[in-house]
Amino acid sequence: SQQGEEDPQALSIQEGENATMNCSYKTSINNLQWYRQNSGRGLVHLILIRSNEREKHSGRLRVTLDTSKKSSSLLITASRAADTASYFCATDGEYGNKLVFGAGTILRVKS
Amino acid sequence: EADIYQTPRYLVIGTGKKITLECSQTMGHDKMYWYQQDPGMELHLIHYSYGVNSTEKGDLSSESTVSRIRTEHFPLTLESARPSHTSQYLCASSETRRPNNYGYTFGSGTRLTVV
Repeated sequence: SQQGEEDPQALSIQEGENATMNCSYKTSINNLQWYRQNSGRGLVHLILIRSNEREKHSGRLRVTLDTSKKSSSLLITASRAADTASYFCATDGEYGNKLVFGAGTILRVKS
Repeated sequence: EADIYQTPRYLVIGTGKKITLECSQTMGHDKMYWYQQDPGMELHLIHYSYGVNSTEKGDLSSESTVSRIRTEHFPLTLESARPSHTSQYLCASSETRRPNNYGYTFGSGTRLTVV
């Protein structure tokens, strides 16, 4: 199966609330990345966190990484309707090879 | 927006036809990738290239082929399309010469329907 597994599969929240998505992976990594995909479109890179980092921020995004548990979380604060999309985590594997993507979390932000 | 372009955006084609999905990037990235994605599902890597004249098969078995004659161009060809090939095909690129802070750049995808 794929390297990354996202949880939950789907999340529905009200505008202004925070959204938290989790990702678990199986093997050692160099870095973990989060992407957003709007319906029917390509993926957009959001943030990358290296294996020696524990937390990273970018605007309203906060990513944490726990390599001992092989898991990561993406927090979107003060969500907006425009944040409605699918969110994928991806890992590059121990040798920094090609990315492997999880199944994604579908986020719906209601206005 | 991304400087990676995929054409066509949508394609409906009959069984048995030969098709080529185009992917071009203007960023000079050395690595390029093709992923297959069914609606609402995860991405599966079908082909990748680490540079000119380099092509490798991905994790998902595919009846398609690719070529990389120029850095900027990475077309994917299906010799004989079948209904099982109906899916979205996403092209992406990345660069290894710079610190790996930027992830992959994706095209908008080609949604292929084989009837």
